[in-house]
Amino acid sequence: QKEVEQNSGPLSVPEGAIASLNCTYSDRVSQSFFWYRQYSGKSPELIMSIYSNGDKEDGRFTAQLNKASQYVSLLIRDSQPSDSATYLCAVNIKAAGNKLTFGGGTRVLVKP
Amino acid sequence: GAVVSQHPSRVICKSGTSVKIECRSLDFQATTMFWYRQFPKQSLMLMATSNEGSKATYEQGVEKDKFLINHASLTLSTLTVTSAHPEDSSFYICSASPQIKNSPLHFGNGTRLTVT
Repeated sequence: QKEVEQNSGPLSVPEGAIASLNCTYSDRVSQSFFWYRQYSGKSPELIMSIYSNGDKEDGRFTAQLNKASQYVSLLIRDSQPSDSATYLCAVNIKAAGNKLTFGGGTRVLVKP
Repeated sequence: GAVVSQHPSRVICKSGTSVKIECRSLDFQATTMFWYRQFPKQSLMLMATSNEGSKATYEQGVEKDKFLINHASLTLSTLTVTSAHPEDSSFYICSASPQIKNSPLHFGNGTRLTVT
């Protein structure tokens, strides 16, 4: 089992719809969880961080964390074509020396 | 917010030459910086962890003599690709985070290396 897993996609959503991205992780004691967005040919940029169970909202983005089930998700409301990118889930994995470990990313395509 | 600056953004070099990439934390100190490599349509791969004042820690399969890392100050780490070959052509990205618990990584803008 990979330490951080994501569906590679592509996840195709119509403009204005909600994009739902999921991420599962293997380390039960992980405490820090992050979502990054990466446009093609660019470096990742941080869009959300979450540390406690529940939901965290920031603009059109909502991160959801469930430590008991070891998953973290990202919702993008009112999806726009500019949201088309690869979204990377990142988790501090203790077994990896507390390094930030990235999932393979989910490619999102928002169609006008 | 935390800013990481990486230079150059793009470099083309001939096979056999060496290329140095700089990574700076502009508004915070970083005892640790991370170097990643990303091939087209693939995920980020951690190459090495750069430690200020000590040797870098390399991931399995990464040649330490080929990818020289120097972290001489709390705000600067450099990656030198020695004797570059076309297969080293890739997108190299550095990252760092402020020394605060649970602080996220911030990435530089990356360096697109093309070896001809």
